[in-house]
Amino acid sequence: DAMVIQNPRYQVTQFGKPVTLSCSQTLNHNVMYWYQQKSSQAPKLLFHYYDKDFNNEADTPDNFQSRRPNTSFCFLDIRSPGLGDAAMYLCATSRERTGSGEQYFGPGTRLTVT
Amino acid sequence: AQSVTQLDSQVPVFEEAPVELRCNYSSSVSVYLFWYVQYPNQGLQLLLKYLSGSTLVESINGFEAEFNKSQTSFHLRKPSVHISDTAEYFCAVSQSYNTDKLIFGTGTRLQVFP
Repeated sequence: DAMVIQNPRYQVTQFGKPVTLSCSQTLNHNVMYWYQQKSSQAPKLLFHYYDKDFNNEADTPDNFQSRRPNTSFCFLDIRSPGLGDAAMYLCATSRERTGSGEQYFGPGTRLTVT
Repeated sequence: AQSVTQLDSQVPVFEEAPVELRCNYSSSVSVYLFWYVQYPNQGLQLLLKYLSGSTLVESINGFEAEFNKSQTSFHLRKPSVHISDTAEYFCAVSQSYNTDKLIFGTGTRLQVFP
């Protein structure tokens, strides 16, 4: 089945130690998104790629970076994680950037910062 | 700016009872509206969406939602819930042109009891 895969499902990192979260998709979609979801809060868009075009949200901290080496893969890099970065990180895809398109979500990676 | 309000953080209900999950939005432009569902340990899945046309939209598993422009609402309803409907439900909105940016509400946890 075509799907969005996130690895690992659970990640523990130390305060200030760089960490990378991975997302891959078999849907061949043009758009890939990263959301941050803290407990009891709405998922918050961090950035998205439309093909190779990177689009950062204005309020996304500089501590968060992303890479998309090819259509299938997208990475979220947190350069110096703080305790406030502990959250669920959701990757999603959509075929096009039209507003009417469905987004397909992966299961998420739960990040713990110790 | 757009925003989405889900007034109820938790809705407990007995099996076979009707349920309504409330969603209100604010936007100065035309929007598309969505309901996503998140089952435990899974990613978000699209439940139903309103783009245009009939204001009443239905999902394959018995949920329906009605777009009410005058009240800026998109409440989700089901006449008879099952244990398997226990999940987190997120209302979301996107601008109706050239963007796939979803603004999510904070979610409503539906807990169905036997």
